[in-house]
Amino acid sequence: KAGVTQTPRYLIKTRGQQVTLSCSPISGHRSVSWYQQTPGQGLQFLFEYFSETQRNKGNFPGRFSGRQFSNSRSEMNVSTLELGDSALYLCASSYTGWDEKLFFGSGTQLSVL
Amino acid sequence: GENVEQHPSTLSVQEGDSAVIKCTYSDSASNYFPWYKQELGKGPQLIIDIRSNVGEKKDQRIAVTLNKTAKHFSLHITETQPEDSAVYFCAASLDSGGYQKVTFGIGTKLQVIP
Repeated sequence: KAGVTQTPRYLIKTRGQQVTLSCSPISGHRSVSWYQQTPGQGLQFLFEYFSETQRNKGNFPGRFSGRQFSNSRSEMNVSTLELGDSALYLCASSYTGWDEKLFFGSGTQLSVL
Repeated sequence: GENVEQHPSTLSVQEGDSAVIKCTYSDSASNYFPWYKQELGKGPQLIIDIRSNVGEKKDQRIAVTLNKTAKHFSLHITETQPEDSAVYFCAASLDSGGYQKVTFGIGTKLQVIP
């Protein structure tokens, strides 16, 4: 069974631009969560989707948004990029979301210049 | 909301020695405590977990203990090997209206010196 796939692996953007990251969950998994990882801050929860609906959202500004498609694939978008948005963005999938075990992708490393 | 504190932030041990990482949580409703290992260039991977109705769980060289009264849990790695070098995250999870809400600790960078 293929694991969680995130694309692209690396991304370089400049301030003010916007970016879209993609996540394909494990086949059959319907819940997708997004996390931001920065040194010293650990894993910060962004949002979680289940069956195309956002069920939970972390404490991030409205510039961070996401969506989930009918095939459970998910995208997250960051608009008006700031230097502080530079981070590793991780996607995790689980079967239902009340199945606690999370399966993570390798992440997208975003650098904002 | 839930708050998870993890320490130490870095840990260096000699190969063959034991390593212990400790976490505390704030919400007594948390009922599931997983530990994740993140190797360089990869995403975190679940290595062991424990539920609130269990005090200790062991899987080969790794074990986790939970003290619900004190609201802390620990990861123990015995006979450490160089391949144990990684960042380890603890987490606390609670049922939030039909789905699990997971809060992670800040991570511990473990270095095993050959």
